[in-house]
Order: sequence, then structure tokens, then C-alpha cells
Amino acid sequence: GAVVSQHPSRVICKSGTSVKIECRSLDFQATTMFWYRQFPKKSLMLMATSNEGSKATYEQGVEKDKFLINHASLTLSTLTVTSAHPEDSSFYICSARPTGLAGEFGSYNEQFFGPGTRLTVL
Amino acid sequence: KNEVEQSPQNLTAQEGEFITINCSYSVGISALHWLQQHPGGGIVSLFMLSSGKKKHGRLIATINIQEKHSSLHITASHPRDSAVYICAPNFGNEKLTFGTGTRLTIIP
Repeated sequence: GAVVSQHPSRVICKSGTSVKIECRSLDFQATTMFWYRQFPKKSLMLMATSNEGSKATYEQGVEKDKFLINHASLTLSTLTVTSAHPEDSSFYICSARPTGLAGEFGSYNEQFFGPGTRLTVL
Repeated sequence: KNEVEQSPQNLTAQEGEFITINCSYSVGISALHWLQQHPGGGIVSLFMLSSGKKKHGRLIATINIQEKHSSLHITASHPRDSAVYICAPNFGNEKLTFGTGTRLTIIP
């Protein structure tokens, strides 16, 4: 149980195009999902917190108009990188927190990670 | 300030050795996660703990709340354990703060 998928796993696009990345919780509901990015040999950096049915909360320095987040259902959040540029090339990872204070997957703070999406902008 | 330090940064060991990775943090936490990241990039959540000790197979995680310190141990290490191990505390909210990771290489 507690599987999170991401699609696509790898994407190459031209500069100026937009890319959508999907994050799905496959066997649980997630009111809250998180989007991270990771540069080579660096730590994960939280970009934004995605809440189902409301606007995402972005971390300082992350452009909300460039990184559009939509969390339309309890099992799906999407990150769209708009007008992508080579500096947006990175590894993007999502995580999902099961809805509820406790239950099958443990406690309130548990998060399950997706396999990541490697974005290359040419 | 919420800070996390991991040690060592890099660790190379022979197959079968007992491995210890350490994590220290600066202020009180609600929980601490140990994550494993393989070369392909995918992350697996190994443990989440807020006190005491947890064991899963050959992996053991301990935490000392008073000393603000956690350790991850691997018994009978195997080359497939080679990965980056990341300590990530929750500093009182739902967000995780990530350590810089420990790159573990197990040599056959």
C-alpha cells in the first residue's frame, strides 16, 4: 500500500514550452501533496504545498505563475512548468500525505514519495 | 533556526559490515523521517519516528529526543543497500527539512 506515482518519469522539451507533471496517490486519499525539486547532488527543496480544493502555498522564491499547481481531487495533483527554460531542468518529486490523523498508514506526518520526474529543457 | 546535520557525508564499506548514519537537529521536532534515494532518483520512506526505536528487516532507526539525535543502522550490509540516505525532521509542522544526505556504497 501507500504508492505514489508520477507521470511522466522523464521529459525533454524545447525552451518556451509548458510541461505538466502528474502526481497520483494510488491507494489512499491525500488532501495534501508536496512538490520538491532537486539539483544534482543537492538536497530536495520544497517548492510548494498543494491542498485539495484550494490554492497551493508556495515557498519563498518560487514563482507561482511559473510553477502552476492544481490539486483537483484527493488523489491527483499536477505541476505545470510554464514557458520552460534550461534553468528549469531538474528532478521534480512529489509526496503525498494520507488524509486523516491516523489509520492504516500511520500518523499525521507520514509522507509517501513519488518516483520523480526528470525534466530537461533544451 | 531549523537545522539538520548528517554524518558522514560519504561512507564506503565492505559487504556484511554494520553501518551507522547519524543525524542531529537543532530544535524540537514532531517527527523524523529516514528516506532512501537510489541512483535513479526515486525516494523510499524507510521510517518515521518520534521516539524510541523502530526496526524493519536489517534496518534499525533510533531517536533520542533529549539529545536531538537520530541514527540509522544497517546490519549485514549488502551492495543493494548502496544509496543516499536522507534524514528529514518535521519541525512542528507538516513540512520536512532535509539533511544533505549520506552517500553509502557497499562493496561486494
